[in-house]
Amino acid sequence: EVKLLESGGGLVQPGGSLKLSCAASGFDFSRYWMSWVRQAPGKGLEWIGEINPDSSTINYTPSLKDKFIISRDNAKNTLYLQMSKVRSEDTALYYCARRGFAYWGQGTLVTVSA
Amino acid sequence: DIQMTQTTSSLSASLGDRVTISCSASQGISNYLNWYQQKPDGTVKLLIYYTSSLHSGVPSRFSGSGSGTDYSLTISNLEPEDIATYYCQQYSKLPYTFGGGTKLEIK
Repeated sequence: EVKLLESGGGLVQPGGSLKLSCAASGFDFSRYWMSWVRQAPGKGLEWIGEINPDSSTINYTPSLKDKFIISRDNAKNTLYLQMSKVRSEDTALYYCARRGFAYWGQGTLVTVSA
Repeated sequence: DIQMTQTTSSLSASLGDRVTISCSASQGISNYLNWYQQKPDGTVKLLIYYTSSLHSGVPSRFSGSGSGTDYSLTISNLEPEDIATYYCQQYSKLPYTFGGGTKLEIK
């Protein structure tokens, strides 16, 4: 069974940093592109970016390219999202998803507040 | 970026109804269109991929159609567990973009 489990969310101060993780199981993680998607409270879904299996290609939504860094560790079956210089508008539920978006995690909540 | 528009933000229907949710793209997306269901607890599930292909395990009362810039999701015989918000998404060009969502409620 494919499982994706996000973690690392929490309360962070404006201007701060946070690193989210997505632990994958039930499939050969090293063979799949992976994406991050977020959803601000009461808003729709927003694709953040994706990373290919060997980390040689990473694509971002242009407006978020300077704020987020996507990475992965295939030995640990884990996807990461490094967030920096966060602002209140980055408050959201952050999901990871497997290429094709057939499988999603439950999300981890990030709250940016002083 | 390709803009995805779901003009109906909320929709009320009765159990057993046939419901159609529409989505339009700001430019042609060559059928690279997915539909998702998001439950109130935040769980997101893929329903339809490539405009009309039913994802594994999804009930056959869900169907998708469309071409060019205009697409739709149809739910025939609405059931209580279909109460959710539905999103379309294009994956024709980066960045992938989602519609604003259509919240389906029971009348």
